[in-house]
Amino acid sequence: NAGVTQTPKFRVLKTGQSMTLLCAQDMNHEYMYWYRQDPGMGLRLIHYSVGEGTTAKGEVPDGYNVSRLKKQNFLLGLESAAPSQTSVYFCASSYGLSNQPQHFGDGTRLSIL
Amino acid sequence: QKEVEQDPGPLSVPEGAIVSLNCTYSNSAFQYFMWYRQYSRKGPELLMYTYSSGNKEDGRFTAQVDKSSKYISLFIRDSQPSDSATYLCAMKVNNQGGKLIFGQGTELSVKP
Repeated sequence: NAGVTQTPKFRVLKTGQSMTLLCAQDMNHEYMYWYRQDPGMGLRLIHYSVGEGTTAKGEVPDGYNVSRLKKQNFLLGLESAAPSQTSVYFCASSYGLSNQPQHFGDGTRLSIL
Repeated sequence: QKEVEQDPGPLSVPEGAIVSLNCTYSNSAFQYFMWYRQYSRKGPELLMYTYSSGNKEDGRFTAQVDKSSKYISLFIRDSQPSDSATYLCAMKVNNQGGKLIFGQGTELSVKP
């Protein structure tokens, strides 16, 4: 059972380039989330989805877009990368009820030069 | 002021010690409280999960929630070198799409 899988694991971009981070889960979870983790800041929610075809903004959504075309996949896009977006990005998923815990992938380490 | 405050450490203890990790929060609407453990270059993994106030025990780990003081704790008994990791507290309000608010994380090192 793979759980939550993130692709790629590492990436270096130049300022202004675009890229898409992929998250896939095999637990049939309704909810999916994208977080970023920066030193001294904990994890901060970027965007989330409560079901296929839905997305919503989190705490730090600016500069990112997301899509949830299939229930098992949640994509995070950077249209024009900036050095401030250098971070570790984590995807998580959970069942739809409020009392269900979130399960995390192992992250994508992104550096923007 | 952040909604959830956690001392980032680092915290270093000898093997076998009792470890106490703490978080304070300001939003009285939080109802679900979690502790995640994160090893280096890995994603957070759920360690403990409690609803409202009270204690919960799982092996060497005990989670406490005091809603009146807006304070949660994680105790680790008989700490082991394998417990060396970053511990993150997280909280959420009911019926808000499962959105979690995390503390900054406390880095723990257990020395043999």
